[in-house]
Amino acid sequence: AQKVTQAQTEISVVEKEDVTLDCVYETRDTTYYLFWYKQPPSGELVFLIRRNSFDEQNEISGRYSWNFQKSTSSFNFTITASQVVDSAVYFCALSEAGNTGKLIFGQGTTLQVKP
Amino acid sequence: GAVVSQHPSRVICKSGTSVKIECRSLDFQATTMFWYRQFPKQSLMLMATSNEGSKATYEQGVEKDKFLINHASLTLSTLTVTSAHPEDSSFYICSAIAFRGGASAELFFGEGSRLTVL
Repeated sequence: AQKVTQAQTEISVVEKEDVTLDCVYETRDTTYYLFWYKQPPSGELVFLIRRNSFDEQNEISGRYSWNFQKSTSSFNFTITASQVVDSAVYFCALSEAGNTGKLIFGQGTTLQVKP
Repeated sequence: GAVVSQHPSRVICKSGTSVKIECRSLDFQATTMFWYRQFPKQSLMLMATSNEGSKATYEQGVEKDKFLINHASLTLSTLTVTSAHPEDSSFYICSAIAFRGGASAELFFGEGSRLTVL
C-alpha cells in the first residue's frame, strides 16, 4: 500500500532561519510521482513541485530546494532564509505514474515563521 | 496556465438539506476529476474519482449515496452532499488532469469549498 509520512506536525522558526520539512514515502510501484503543496490559511493548494521516480536530481527554485533520495524513500523540502509569508501547512504527496491525479497526502507540516 | 474553479467557495446550510458543489475546468477538457475532503487540521483524503460519462469510483469507506458525483460534461463535475449533517462539515477540494501533447499531464486543484452544516 502507498503511504506518505510527514513526521513533523508543527515547526516554528524565526525569520531568516533555514528549515527542512521531512517526507518519507512507501510504495511498491517502480514508477511514481512525488509532490509538495503549500496550503495557506485561505485553503487553496499551491503547487510547489512534482518529481518523477526516475529523476533523483535535487531541485532548487529560489529559496526552495528539494532532496530526493530513493535509497531512503525520502523527499525532503528545505526553505532557505525563511520569511513570514512562508507560514502555511505544507503537504507532501505521492501518486502512481499511471494515475497521476490520485494523490496520497501526508499528514502535513504546519510551519510558523515568526518575525 | 490551466485553471480549475470551484463554486461555491463557502456554503452554510441547515442539517438535512442537500448541497451541490461544482468543479469546472476553465480552459481544458477533463475526462477525469477527483474529489478530496479535508477535515480541520487534517490531511486531504481522496473521496472519489469522477469519470465523464460514467459512474464515479468511490474510495473505501465513502458512501456513494451520501456523496453524489455527476460528471456530465468534459468541463464540469458536481459533488452533492445529500441530507447533510454537522459531521459533513469539511473543506472539499477537486482536482483535474490537463493533458498537454503526448504523455505530458498536469494536475490542477480547485480553490476548495468550505461546507458548514448547522
